[in-house]
Amino acid sequence: DAGVIQSPRHEVTEMGQEVTLRCKPISGHNSLFWYRQTMMRGLELLIYFNNNVPIDDSGMPEDRFSAKMPNASFSTLKIQPSEPRDSAVYFCASRWRGEQFFGPGTRLTVL
Amino acid sequence: QKEVEQNSGPLSVPEGAIASLNCTYSDRGSQSFFWYRQYSGKSPELIMSIYSNGDKEDGRFTAQLNKASQYVSLLIRDSQPSDSATYLCAASFYFGTGTSLTVIP
Repeated sequence: DAGVIQSPRHEVTEMGQEVTLRCKPISGHNSLFWYRQTMMRGLELLIYFNNNVPIDDSGMPEDRFSAKMPNASFSTLKIQPSEPRDSAVYFCASRWRGEQFFGPGTRLTVL
Repeated sequence: QKEVEQNSGPLSVPEGAIASLNCTYSDRGSQSFFWYRQYSGKSPELIMSIYSNGDKEDGRFTAQLNKASQYVSLLIRDSQPSDSATYLCAASFYFGTGTSLTVIP
């Protein structure tokens, strides 16, 4: 298996633009997580899904952030409008038997 | 979010020494605990999982769990320069901020 796939790997955008991050989990994994990592705050859980259903989105910073999982093999995290403080590395992870497997991350820079 | 605290370091040890990393967690209901290693610019990778009180050994790594004290630790024996990385502790899927380890040749 190719592991968790994320795209794009790097994104540079201007404040106010919409940003969409994409994730393909490992086939057969039934839980998917979105994290944000910064030097100051570490690895923060934003939202997670079980069997494509959002279970806990309490970590989503504000209404500018939204996430969807339309099927077992695809999820998106959208930021609209983006702000400079959203600059971070965003990781997607899928889980099998309690163990998480992380994608390579998307480095987002908002100018 | 459930809080996971780690000694922030940075931690430096000479090659061949034992590195000791510590972690406490706030949620008494947590049942699963993990240590991840993250090299600079890379994603976290799982190195140890532990679910019950006591020690669990895997090669040069030993994880220790004390649920009464809400404490998890990781020992790395015979530390190698390739162990230099940030180590992340997780209770379930909530992470600490990590401890940076440098092994000096």
